[in-house]
Amino acid sequence: DGGITQSPKYLFRKEGQNVTLSCEQNLNHDAMYWYRQDPGQGLRLIYYSQIVNDFQKGDIAEGYSVSREKKESFPLTVTSAQKNPTAFYLCASSKGRPTEAFFGQGTRLTVV
Amino acid sequence: KQEVTQIPAALSVPEGENLVLNCSFTDSAIYNLQWFRQDPGKGLTSLLLIQSSQREQTSGRLNASLDKSSGRSTLYIAASQPGDSATYLCAVKVGDSNYQLIWGAGTKLIIKP
Repeated sequence: DGGITQSPKYLFRKEGQNVTLSCEQNLNHDAMYWYRQDPGQGLRLIYYSQIVNDFQKGDIAEGYSVSREKKESFPLTVTSAQKNPTAFYLCASSKGRPTEAFFGQGTRLTVV
Repeated sequence: KQEVTQIPAALSVPEGENLVLNCSFTDSAIYNLQWFRQDPGKGLTSLLLIQSSQREQTSGRLNASLDKSSGRSTLYIAASQPGDSATYLCAVKVGDSNYQLIWGAGTKLIIKP
C-alpha cells in the first residue's frame, strides 16, 4: 500500500535535547512538507521541499531543521533552540505543485 | 494577508440531523478550497476539493459549496452518523503550490447517538 509513514507516533524530549521525526513516503511524490498543529490553531508550515536536495523555510522554521537526501524521506529535527516544541507534527507529500497533498498520521512531541 | 476562520470551534448534534460547517476567508483570490477530516490524534484525510471556478462538489453524504465573492464555503453533512464525529478543517490555496495553503483552526463535530 502506498502512503506516508511518520514515526514515532509519540515522542518525549527532555529540555535541551534535539530530536528527529521521521517521514517516509512511497508514493513517488516530488514535494514534501512539515506542519505543526497546536490546539485552536490552523496548521502552520515549518519547511517544505519540492525536489531532492532542496528545501525552503515555511512560516515557523526557527528552531527546526530538515534534510532531503532521498526522494522518499524528509526528516525533521526539532532543536533545543525551539522554545515551545510540544505539539502535533504532520508530514505531507504531493505529486507536483497543483496536485492535492496527502498526510501522514502525525507525531505527538512532548517536552518533559 | 489571507485569513481563514471556522466558526463554531465545536458543534454537537443528535444523530440523523443534517448540519452545516462554515469556513470563511478574507481574500477572494484563491486557487481552490479543500475540506479535510481529522480523527483524534491522527492525520488528515481529504474530503472534498473545490476549484476556484466551481461552485460545489459532492461526495456521498457530503456537499461542499464555494462562494468566492462572499468569502465563504460550507460543508453540508446529510443524515449525520456517530462515525462522522471528528474535527473538520478547511484550507485555502492562495498559489499554485501546496505550500501555499492557509488553514482554518477547525470545527470539532460530535454526533450524539
